Amino acid sequence: QKEVEQDPGPLSVPEGAIVSLNCTYSNSAFQYFMWYRQYSRKGPELLMYTYSSGNKEDGRFTAQVDKSSKYISLFIRDSQPSDSATYLCATYTGNQFYFGTGTSLTVIP
Amino acid sequence: NAGVTQTPKFRVLKTGQSMTLLCAQDMNHEYMYWYRQDPGMGLRLIHYSVGEGTTAKGEVPDGYNVSRLKKQNFLLGLESAAPSQTSVYFCASSRQGAANEQFFGPGTRLTVL
Repeated sequence: QKEVEQDPGPLSVPEGAIVSLNCTYSNSAFQYFMWYRQYSRKGPELLMYTYSSGNKEDGRFTAQVDKSSKYISLFIRDSQPSDSATYLCATYTGNQFYFGTGTSLTVIP
Repeated sequence: NAGVTQTPKFRVLKTGQSMTLLCAQDMNHEYMYWYRQDPGMGLRLIHYSVGEGTTAKGEVPDGYNVSRLKKQNFLLGLESAAPSQTSVYFCASSRQGAANEQFFGPGTRLTVL
C-alpha cells in the first residue's frame, strides 16, 4: 500500500465550478499535509499546508484534513482557467516525504 | 532572487554513462532535496541534506550519489546511468524546521537510452 493515494483524474469542470480534490493516507503519524500545484513542464509550487486536523482557507482555496478517516481534501471555489494544472497532495514524518501521484484538473472557460 | 535553479534542463545519456545534476538556491535554506517524478508514481525522494556537508538517503537512493559541499548547492550524481533512471528530476529547498514549505526548481528531464 502506498503511503498516499490520489485519484489521477483527469478532472474537467466549467469555469466558476467548485472543485474537490482528495487524497487518502495510511500512516496516522503524519501531521503536516501539503497541497502543491504543478503546471505542465514546471516544478511544483506550494499552495498551502495544514497541521493536524481541521480546515485552512486561503482565498479561493480551502484545505481540509480528517485524521479519523485519514482523508485530505482541497476545495477550489469559483474555479478559473488559470487553475488548470496538476494538484499534488503530500505529507511527511521525520525526514521522509510522500507525494500523491497528482490529479490533473482542466477548467473550461 | 532566482529561487531554486537546476542545470541542465535536458539531457540524453547512453546506458553506462555518468553525469551530475546541479541544484542551486539563493534563499539561504538549510535543507535541500532531490526527487524524481515518474508517471503513475508521483514524486519520490532520492536523497536529502539538512545542512552543508550532510546527506541522507530518501525513499529511492539506489544508483545515485549526492554531495553538499556548499550550503547553496546540492549535486546529484549518476555513476552508471540505466534506462530505469529516465525521469524528471526536481530539486527543492526549505528552511530548517519548515520541511512542509519546500520550494522546487524547474526540473531536469533525463533520458537514458
